[in-house]
Amino acid sequence: AQSVAQPEDQVNVAEGNPLTVKCTYSVSGNPYLFWYVQYPNRGLQFLLKYITGDNLVKGSYGFEAEFNKSQTSFHLKKPSALVSDSALYFCAVRDMVDYGQNFVFGPGTRLSVLP
Amino acid sequence: EAGVAQSPRYKIIEKRQSVAFWCNPISGHATLYWYQQILGQGPKLLIQFQNNGVVDDSQLPKDRFSAERLKGVDSTLKIQPAKLEDSAVYLCASSLDRDSPLHFGNGTRLTVT
Repeated sequence: AQSVAQPEDQVNVAEGNPLTVKCTYSVSGNPYLFWYVQYPNRGLQFLLKYITGDNLVKGSYGFEAEFNKSQTSFHLKKPSALVSDSALYFCAVRDMVDYGQNFVFGPGTRLSVLP
Repeated sequence: EAGVAQSPRYKIIEKRQSVAFWCNPISGHATLYWYQQILGQGPKLLIQFQNNGVVDDSQLPKDRFSAERLKGVDSTLKIQPAKLEDSAVYLCASSLDRDSPLHFGNGTRLTVT
C-alpha cells in the first residue's frame, strides 16, 4: 500500500526567511511525487513533480523540492518566503510500479508567512 | 486555456435530500477525477474516469453516491440520500493522462444539516 505523511500541521516562518514543508512517503516501488498548493476557497494548484532524474526539482513561484530516496522524503523548500505564500500545501504520491494505484494525498500543512 | 469549471460553488441541504454537482474539465483532458475533501484533511479520490469509462471507483460509497461522464466530457456527481458526514468540499480535477499533473476546479462546498 502507498501512503504519504506530512508531519507538521502548521509551519510558521518570517517573510524573507527560508521555508521547508516536510513530506515523507511509503511505496512498494519507485515513487511518483507531486506538491500542490491550495488557497482559501480554491482548488489545488500544481507546484512541481518528481519522476526520475535530478533529486532537486524546481517548480512554480520559486519553490523547489528535494527527493531523498534513503529517507523516503520529498520536502518542499523556498529560499525566501513571501506573505503571499501563506496557504495549505499538499504532498501526493503514487507507486510507479503498481500502475493500478491512484495518487494518495497527504493531510496538508498550513504555511503562515509572517510580515 | 480555460480551467476546470464546477457548479454550484456552495450548496446547503438537509439530510436525506439529494444533490448533484457538475464538472466541465479542460478541453482535451481524457482523465477526470472526483475528490472529497473533508475539512482538515487531504483530498480523497471518489471516482476516476478515462474518457467515459470508469477506471477506479473503489472508494465511492455506491449505496448513495453515483457519477457519470456522458460523451467523455462533462461529469455529474450525485448524492442520494445525503448524510451529515457528506459535508465536505467536492473537487473535480482533470488531466491529459494518469501521469500528468491534475488541474483542479474550485470545488463545491456541501453542507448537510
